[in-house]
Amino acid sequence: AQTVTQSQPEMSVQEAETVTLSCTYDTSESDYYLFWYKQPPSRQMILVIRQEAYKQQNATENRFSVNFQKAAKSFSLKISDSQLGDAAMYFCAYLSGSQGNLIFGKGTKLSVKP
Amino acid sequence: NAGVMQNPRHLVRRRGQEARLRCSPMKGHSHVYWYRQLPEEGLKFMVYLQKENIIDESGMPKERFSAEFPKEGPSILRIQQVVRGDSAAYFCASSRTGGDFGGYTFGSGTRLTVV
Repeated sequence: AQTVTQSQPEMSVQEAETVTLSCTYDTSESDYYLFWYKQPPSRQMILVIRQEAYKQQNATENRFSVNFQKAAKSFSLKISDSQLGDAAMYFCAYLSGSQGNLIFGKGTKLSVKP
Repeated sequence: NAGVMQNPRHLVRRRGQEARLRCSPMKGHSHVYWYRQLPEEGLKFMVYLQKENIIDESGMPKERFSAEFPKEGPSILRIQQVVRGDSAAYFCASSRTGGDFGGYTFGSGTRLTVV
């Protein structure tokens, strides 16, 4: 069975600085997709960024980028120029290429200091 | 173009009562997924439905929980004879196709409190 591990329960960053959130996963599949979701206090789950496993190029979305290391099964999220609105829970998620359900890590709570 | 709509936003039930949670997927989406989030935890998959069909219910507890997605109307997650351990946030997500690799759209969740 696939698992997703986020080893940092909490992280803190100064406004305008850069922070990296860690995520590792375990799978025997070769076809899969990885996601980062943001959950602010409103509880809404917001898709931040996604990565196809077959793509070597790391995904980027404005200030958000990933470092995808397929051999190491690592999928970290880098947030550049952190803003107060980035404060939230961040969840790493895995989607099998053959199944429909997402598998989530336990999350990392990010605080942004002004 | 409304997103995934879940209601109620908050639901309080006494032990032994029934809880009914509703989810209307995004327009054009025919695949619905239910997840449960316990305090300080990530979301855990419960069930995946298509219109009138249960595709995968491997995450559903064997007793008291059921889900449906009728031809007309929202998807319903039903919990009978609720217990305190059922207190959690329940999220619904929808997608246009099964295994939507673009990422699913989530609703805002229903927070169930059992007293």
